[in-house]
Amino acid sequence: ILNVEQSPQSLHVQEGDSTNFTCSFPSSNFYALHWYRWETAKSPEALFVMTLNGDEKKKGRISATLNTKEGYSYLYIKGSQPEDSATYLCASSNSGYSTLTFGKGTMLLVSP
Amino acid sequence: DAGITQSPRYKITETGRQVTLMCHQTWSHSYMFWYRQDLGHGLRLIYYSAAADITDKGEVPDGYVVSRSKTENFPLTLESATRSQTSVYFCASSEGGFGNTIYFGEGSWLTVV
Repeated sequence: ILNVEQSPQSLHVQEGDSTNFTCSFPSSNFYALHWYRWETAKSPEALFVMTLNGDEKKKGRISATLNTKEGYSYLYIKGSQPEDSATYLCASSNSGYSTLTFGKGTMLLVSP
Repeated sequence: DAGITQSPRYKITETGRQVTLMCHQTWSHSYMFWYRQDLGHGLRLIYYSAAADITDKGEVPDGYVVSRSKTENFPLTLESATRSQTSVYFCASSEGGFGNTIYFGEGSWLTVV
């Protein structure tokens, strides 16, 4: 069973603050790293899929980077807004198959 | 575009009863998955299917049965529900391949009393 770790477990910031989270995953047999945004009572929404070392992806105010050699990914949110409040999940594929191992998530709360 | 739908969304059942959670996708994705989400844990894979009539165990398969007679449907059955199976269950699908996005349903909240 793979170990995917996310930190911090939770985060509370003020509107306008920029923030970042970390996802650590096994670097051996790495194939892909996925980021999801999940609001309670809704389905997890895919943000990014990254496969190559050094990959950087951006979607609006959210961006992500990938370091496959050391086994970590960062998710950045610039100028947080209350609607960014959600749990952010990362998941790693280390088998070449389509199954993912998820971390426990980082719960973000953005106060107005 | 209906995407991926789960039913029922909410269910309360008694210990020992059989429960089936339904999952239907309209994209003709080859892969389908069942995950459970519990407090203190990440999403954990129960079973997955690479195609019709092909299923495989995930991390936590005990107490569950799946079938996939049609590409678009992937029901999950709890043969004899236990309280430890109280959870939120997510069905998901993808085209397959490690770099492809996995799309999730909205979840089925199951309480076993």
